[in-house]
Amino acid sequence: DSGVTQTPKHLITATGQRVTLRCSPRSGDLSVYWYQQSLDQGLQFLIQYYNGEERAKGNILERFSAQQFPDLHSELNLSSLELGDSALYFCASSVGYEQYFGPGTRLTVT
Amino acid sequence: GQQLNQSPQSMFIQEGEDVSMNCTSSSIFNTWLWYKQEPGEGPVLLIALYKAGELTSNGRLTAQFGITRKDSFLNISASIPSDVGIYFCAGLQTGANNLFFGTGTRLTVIP
Repeated sequence: DSGVTQTPKHLITATGQRVTLRCSPRSGDLSVYWYQQSLDQGLQFLIQYYNGEERAKGNILERFSAQQFPDLHSELNLSSLELGDSALYFCASSVGYEQYFGPGTRLTVT
Repeated sequence: GQQLNQSPQSMFIQEGEDVSMNCTSSSIFNTWLWYKQEPGEGPVLLIALYKAGELTSNGRLTAQFGITRKDSFLNISASIPSDVGIYFCAGLQTGANNLFFGTGTRLTVIP
């Protein structure tokens, strides 16, 4: 158990809808990262927050947004969903260079 | 983004055999991490490397930070069935905040 929690575990929704994925980092970790992993693919970095502020942006679509709250949990919002958004979404947290991953949310868009 | 190429792409080995895999890039990295991912799970950090030439072990796993800083290697000795999974390398560049992940090596261990 990495100490990073993510909810929900699974999510099934229709095209055009909006969903919110939630992540709670390890106790004491200030950084939260979001990644997308499509079927049997590597992990694509989406966005990083550090202590409530956006720190780095990767290949994140404009339809996607994230935020980190004062209690350091983070949410990833995905809107106007398309079939191609079906993937595993992971968050990770770190206090240094080593990132620890949560169990992921599997999103299926039908 | 940066491209980290891992080889081999997949491996089928007999239980008890040793395994070697590598990760290469055209760019320099100042930190290398190795992760293992099992189906439906999140990646689990195995080993972290911080200095060129560094050799670090974690049980039967040994990883090395390449001298050129453009590559890293992971060895697994005396493989067992629970070693099955996808192994990812990840690199961090100076001044960057995010990891770049490799393409993964899928390991299958035949009992």
